[in-house]
Amino acid sequence: DAEITQSPRHKITETGRQVTLACHQTWNHNNMFWYRQDLGHGLRLIHYSYGVQDTNKGEVSDGYSVSRSNTEDLPLTLESAASSQTSVYFCASSDSGAGNTDTQYFGPGTRLTVL
Amino acid sequence: AQSVTQLGSHVSVSEGALVLLRCNYSSSVPPYLFWYVQYPNQGLQLLLKYTSAATLVKGINGFEAEFKKSETSFHLTKPSAHMSDAAEYFCAVSGAGGTSYGKLTFGQGTILTVHP
Repeated sequence: DAEITQSPRHKITETGRQVTLACHQTWNHNNMFWYRQDLGHGLRLIHYSYGVQDTNKGEVSDGYSVSRSNTEDLPLTLESAASSQTSVYFCASSDSGAGNTDTQYFGPGTRLTVL
Repeated sequence: AQSVTQLGSHVSVSEGALVLLRCNYSSSVPPYLFWYVQYPNQGLQLLLKYTSAATLVKGINGFEAEFKKSETSFHLTKPSAHMSDAAEYFCAVSGAGGTSYGKLTFGQGTILTVHP
């Protein structure tokens, strides 16, 4: 069955370190998204991609970067981790065929703690 | 710009009682609307979506939602709550194109508690 996976599931790091969170999907979806989930804010969009070599900034992109070298993967990098980036991170993907009506499929999340 | 407001961050019901979770949206274009459910320590799962066909949308696990343009609402209901419905529920809106293409804007979430 097609799926979307994230690794690691839990990560503890220190302020100032670079961290990369992996996202891999086997749906063959063109669209991929990164969100962060914080209490009282729901999910907020960090970065997204509509295809290979395409990346775009979302609502809360400062301090984060992504790259898309193939269809399956969209890694999220925190260039210099800050305590404010302690959060739960979700990756999602959707097919580009039906535009805005497409269902986004979510990974299980990565819980990141920055000390 | 589009936005979603979920009224009530916590809703508590008894098993067998009606579930009503409220969602109001703001969108400058005809919206597509979604309800997702998140069980503890899991990702989000689609419950149902409105895509401009029927205004009453039926989803999984006995949930349904009605799109009311005049009230800019998309409330989620279930006639009889079950213990397994305890989770956090998110309403989301997607725009019809342009810079909003394919992107979801989420509400703050509503935690549903079901008492025996």
